[in-house]
Amino acid sequence: DARVTQTPRHKVTEMGQEVTMRCQPILGHNTVFWYRQTMMQGLELLAYFRNRAPLDDSGMPKDRFSAEMPDATLATLKIQPSEPRDSAVYFCASGSRDGSTDTQYFGPGTRLTVL
Amino acid sequence: QKEVEQNSGPLSVPEGAIASLNCTYSDRGSQSFFWYRQYSGKSPELIMSIYSNGDKEDGRFTAQLNKASQYVSLLIRDSQPSDSATYLCAVTGTGFQKLVFGTGTRLLVSP
Repeated sequence: DARVTQTPRHKVTEMGQEVTMRCQPILGHNTVFWYRQTMMQGLELLAYFRNRAPLDDSGMPKDRFSAEMPDATLATLKIQPSEPRDSAVYFCASGSRDGSTDTQYFGPGTRLTVL
Repeated sequence: QKEVEQNSGPLSVPEGAIASLNCTYSDRGSQSFFWYRQYSGKSPELIMSIYSNGDKEDGRFTAQLNKASQYVSLLIRDSQPSDSATYLCAVTGTGFQKLVFGTGTRLLVSP
């Protein structure tokens, strides 16, 4: 049963600390998406990659967030320095191309709390 | 105007009834449409995709798409308490490359 995996599942940190979230996409999927979900804003796209190349990171605060794909099996999202307003659930999704569209499958998420 | 709009609900239906969830979108160039289900504290789970006008059925679920009117709906027949969740509508933006999600409709199915 192929699934997207994310670590850690929960993270509590203090303001100013660096946070790194990791995602392993489904084997064979070449597109990876990072989302943030809050009660107020819903599900927001932060960045996405195709074949490890960043295609769009316009949803991401550039001064503190960075996303990378060191290899095809690992995507990372870093926040440095973290702020209380970054508290949210961060989802990674990997995509399987179906015609012109990626069908996306979500990981379990990382629940981040910044104190 | 939000790109994808859904009524936040909650939509309450009795067990066994048909639940009808609606979604409108603003980008006429949108080509692909998805419904995700999200249980509280869980990640979104894909339940339906639809690409052409008309109806698409999968078990108790039917997705309906009307591109001229820019709406997509999800019907759940014989609703069960286990269907109680938030349903997210997602639409591709121009260029097909990324999904835009609505804020979701919360469905409550009472026994």
